[in-house]
Amino acid sequence: DAKTTQPTSMDCAEGRAANLPCNHSTISGNEYVYWYRQIHSQGPQYIIHGLKNNETNEMASLIITEDRKSSTLILPHATLRDTAVYYCIVRSRDSGYALNFGKGTSLLVTP
Amino acid sequence: GAVVSQHPSWVICKSGTSVKIECRSLDFQATTMFWYRQFPKQSLMLMATSNEGSKATYEQGVEKDKFLINHASLTLSTLTVTSAHPEDSSFYICSAPGSLAGKDEQFFGPGTRLTVL
Repeated sequence: DAKTTQPTSMDCAEGRAANLPCNHSTISGNEYVYWYRQIHSQGPQYIIHGLKNNETNEMASLIITEDRKSSTLILPHATLRDTAVYYCIVRSRDSGYALNFGKGTSLLVTP
Repeated sequence: GAVVSQHPSWVICKSGTSVKIECRSLDFQATTMFWYRQFPKQSLMLMATSNEGSKATYEQGVEKDKFLINHASLTLSTLTVTSAHPEDSSFYICSAPGSLAGKDEQFFGPGTRLTVL
């Protein structure tokens, strides 16, 4: 699976959009971009994933650049409960279901 | 739907004793489950893949005789930490692949915090 690079930490004011970037310059054509988050002392939670088209669900939006070398997770109206570590993971369906977690981005949403 | 539970949520044990952690898929079946370990302020590290009806596969550096995995049924996998020592103190998390709203994803349990005295 391709490696990802994320900023170590970010801050966001409550109610504002949180934009979390991820670089995956070595991504291959059959690899998906997955986002999970982990609130302190809990198990990770799935957020969203995509291949090349932008995706949106009730939690977030995923914007993938045309060359697929980077992506951005957008939380449109961050709340205090969105404070968590966000993991961007690139995975091929052929590599099985195990996830290779990097260090992620620690997002702090402030009042 | 697609809930994974773990039991216990936390456990404290004495050095040298064994501890069993259960991982259950509550409303779906999982022929494969995964066990991760997370030390403080670190990311999750995959320990092993639990396979129903066959032996677990372990990641490099994980002692299979120390971390016994049994995938007893399509909804239950257990991880037994044998002869636990303080360095085994960690947050243990299991996951199972499933499908929700037509999309494949990984469902994680809430984790088990093990403290070995």
